[in-house]
Amino acid sequence: DQQVKQNSPSLSVQEGRISILNCDYTNSMFDYFLWYKKYPAEGPTFLISISSIKDKNEDGRFTVFLNKSAKHLSLHIVPSQPGDSAVYFCAASVQTGANNLFFGTGTRLTVIP
Amino acid sequence: SQTIHQWPATLVQPVGSPLSLECTVEGTSNPNLYWYRQAAGRGLQLLFYSVGIGQISSEVPQNLSASRPQDRQFILSSKKLLLSDSGFYLCAWGGGVVDTQYFGPGTRLTVL
Repeated sequence: DQQVKQNSPSLSVQEGRISILNCDYTNSMFDYFLWYKKYPAEGPTFLISISSIKDKNEDGRFTVFLNKSAKHLSLHIVPSQPGDSAVYFCAASVQTGANNLFFGTGTRLTVIP
Repeated sequence: SQTIHQWPATLVQPVGSPLSLECTVEGTSNPNLYWYRQAAGRGLQLLFYSVGIGQISSEVPQNLSASRPQDRQFILSSKKLLLSDSGFYLCAWGGGVVDTQYFGPGTRLTVL
């Protein structure tokens, strides 16, 4: 059972425009959410996270929004750059015990120069 | 700063052969350690996690096993590989109070 879902397998955006990647989850116990960026044949790189006590967290060009009532989070990248082209995974956890992460299936972002 | 190492980077093994993948972490003590697998076209699946030496929890039943002989060493093993074991294996670390997990470079395993 996929508790974290990324329903868009791919997204193409023009350089300089906004990229919006979406993620939905089903487990209401999740209280910590993360976004990772992954290039082929490399490990995922942590991008940004948000705790359930917040609804927005910003770090440079990256902003994550959390809508707990809708069980939805999104990652905004503004402005998008060609180097942002990668697969983006969202992940969620319950902040107790081993803090196991549950990952979505990823969205491949292509930023067109 | 913390660093996580995995080796080998790539591995091609015949069906039925054994497997040993190693992961080590530097710059932190008593980390939580994790093994994930990414199969072709799929997300990351948690295989094992460990909160301390000798403590292993399995998330998915399979012919793989994990061991943690030292605080910062995590090993993924198999006695007999299956074709379905092919994939990209990732080790990650995260502290008990560090909610974020940080990943190693991964091992690409191809079972023929």
